[in-house]
Amino acid sequence: DAKTTQPPSMDCAEGRAANLPCNHSTISGNEYVYWYRQIHSQGPQYIIHGLKNNETNEMASLIITEDRKSSTLILPHATLRDTAVYYCIAFRTGTASKLTFGTGTRLQVTL
Amino acid sequence: DSGVTQTPKHLITATGQRVTLRCSPRSGDLSVYWYQQSLDQGLQFLIQYYNGEERAKGNILERFSAQQFPDLHSELNLSSLELGDSALYFCASSVGQGESEQYFGPGTRLTVT
Repeated sequence: DAKTTQPPSMDCAEGRAANLPCNHSTISGNEYVYWYRQIHSQGPQYIIHGLKNNETNEMASLIITEDRKSSTLILPHATLRDTAVYYCIAFRTGTASKLTFGTGTRLQVTL
Repeated sequence: DSGVTQTPKHLITATGQRVTLRCSPRSGDLSVYWYQQSLDQGLQFLIQYYNGEERAKGNILERFSAQQFPDLHSELNLSSLELGDSALYFCASSVGQGESEQYFGPGTRLTVT
């Protein structure tokens, strides 16, 4: 699976959009981009995933560049409860089934 | 609530001992995964079972073993415990074999003294 690179930390004001970038320049054509988050020491929580097209669900939006070398997770209206470590993972479904977590981005949402 | 349950929540034991961590997957999920999270190593995949059979192995020590039972619950056995085994152990489950939409349990915090 391709390596991903994320900034170690970001701040966001409550109510504003949080845009979390991820670089995956070596991603292959059949690798998906998955996002998980971990709030404090709780179990990681699945957020969203995509292959080529932009995706949106009730939690977030995922924007993938046309060349697929980077992506951005958008939390449209961040709240204090969104403070967490966010992990971007490149994953090829159907073969390896392990998730390889990097160091992620620690998002701090402030008042 | 992910639907994945893990017991116990906390475990304190001494070096050299053996412990068993238990996981019940979400209803309908056939795959169970085990992960270890320590301060210095981050979240690391240990092993995956699918419908009772081992499917993938990660950085799992020989002192550790796991199994998945016919009712699909899983147990992770850790033996000859060392101080460095102190960590959070997470179980996750998914419907199929090779999906990364995995649902994580609340974890078991193991402290080895």
